[in-house]
Amino acid sequence: KQEVTQIPAALSVPEGENLVLNCSFTDSAIYNLQWFRQDPGKGLTSLLLIQSSQREQTSGRLNASLDKSSGRSTLYIAASQPGDSATYLCAVITSNAGKSTFGDGTTLTVKP
Amino acid sequence: GAGVSQSPSNKVTEKGKDVELRCDPISGHTALYWYRQSLGQGLEFLIYFQGNSAPDKSGLPSDRFSAERTGGSVSTLTIQRTQQEDSAVYLCASSLEVWRQETQYFGPGTRLLVL
Repeated sequence: KQEVTQIPAALSVPEGENLVLNCSFTDSAIYNLQWFRQDPGKGLTSLLLIQSSQREQTSGRLNASLDKSSGRSTLYIAASQPGDSATYLCAVITSNAGKSTFGDGTTLTVKP
Repeated sequence: GAGVSQSPSNKVTEKGKDVELRCDPISGHTALYWYRQSLGQGLEFLIYFQGNSAPDKSGLPSDRFSAERTGGSVSTLTIQRTQQEDSAVYLCASSLEVWRQETQYFGPGTRLLVL
């Protein structure tokens, strides 16, 4: 059974700092990994999708990496801003097509 | 439509009543997914559809839960004889096709409270 773990559960940083969020998964037989953000009371917004054959994806200040063999992904946020404050979730789609397993998320607070 | 829509946005019901939650995916998306997010918990996968077919129903928590999709578009998630532990946010997502492992786009969710 696929298990996804995100560390840390919560993170507070001052504005402008670079930070890394971690995601690990137990079964490396994944199709892709996706990073989302969730704002309080809202749905999920997709940030980056990494296919299993890829090593990383970049979008603006965000960079996500994937190391399938070690079962790890990181989300790097450069020059953090207060608007980045949200819960960040990673999800893996396993070999059972369409079935996603989510981590519990990392709640990020960026202080002005 | 512009995005995934869900209705109602909030639902309060009494224990034992049936509820029906609706999801309208992005136009042209053939894959549709239902998740549940309980308070303080991560997202729990419930079921997915490719077209009108649901190949894997093993994520549904009990036989009180059912889902259908007709016409390859709108889906409804029905919970019969609701229990307090069913209280959660029910999220729907859609993507172009399941087999292409495309980005999933989420709706705002339906917040269900069972009293």
